[in-house]
Amino acid sequence: QVQLVQSGAEVKKPGASVKIPCRASGYSFTNYALHWVRQAPGQRLEWVGWVSGANGNTRYSQKFQDRVTFTRDTSATTVYMELSSLRSEDTAIYYCARRALAGYFDYWGQGTLVTVSS
Amino acid sequence: DIQMTQSPPSLSASVGDRVTITCRATQDIRNSLAWYQQKPGKAPRLLLFAASRLDDGVPSRFSGSGSGTDYTLTISSLQPEDFALYFCHQYSVVPYTFGQGTRLEIK
Repeated sequence: QVQLVQSGAEVKKPGASVKIPCRASGYSFTNYALHWVRQAPGQRLEWVGWVSGANGNTRYSQKFQDRVTFTRDTSATTVYMELSSLRSEDTAIYYCARRALAGYFDYWGQGTLVTVSS
Repeated sequence: DIQMTQSPPSLSASVGDRVTITCRATQDIRNSLAWYQQKPGKAPRLLLFAASRLDDGVPSRFSGSGSGTDYTLTISSLQPEDFALYFCHQYSVVPYTFGQGTRLEIK
């Protein structure tokens, strides 16, 4: 079965970076893009961007494009989201999600809580 | 960016009730709308896509409708396991955007 497994919670200081893995299994990794979405406390879900499983192409939300980098390791069927220059407003649960061919997200990771605090 | 306005923000209902949640987009999203259910501490679960298509394994008491800018999720007869957070998602245009969610609570 399709699974997206993320790492555990992270606590970071303002100005630091965080790199979150999302390990995919149960499907052909290169056939799908993986997206990143975050949910800050009390806020709606917010799309961060996506990375192609096929060729590593990326697209970032304009809001994050100066601070976020997606990478992938096809041998490990894992994608990574790195967010830099962290600030308190980045405190959120970060989800990876697989994009179905038609565009919706058919599978989600369990989420990684990132807390930014001095 | 397309803004998604979801209502109501919360809803109290009883087992067996019929409930409807709505999402309105700021422009035509051509049925590129999905609905998800989320329970505390869990990943979101896809319920419907293309506005009205049920994902595999989703009970038939869930249904969706709409077109253009206005969409609805209906649960025909609430079951105890249905009390959760629901949110809509437009995937017509990047950046993808989401409704603010509807918390469905037991009355």
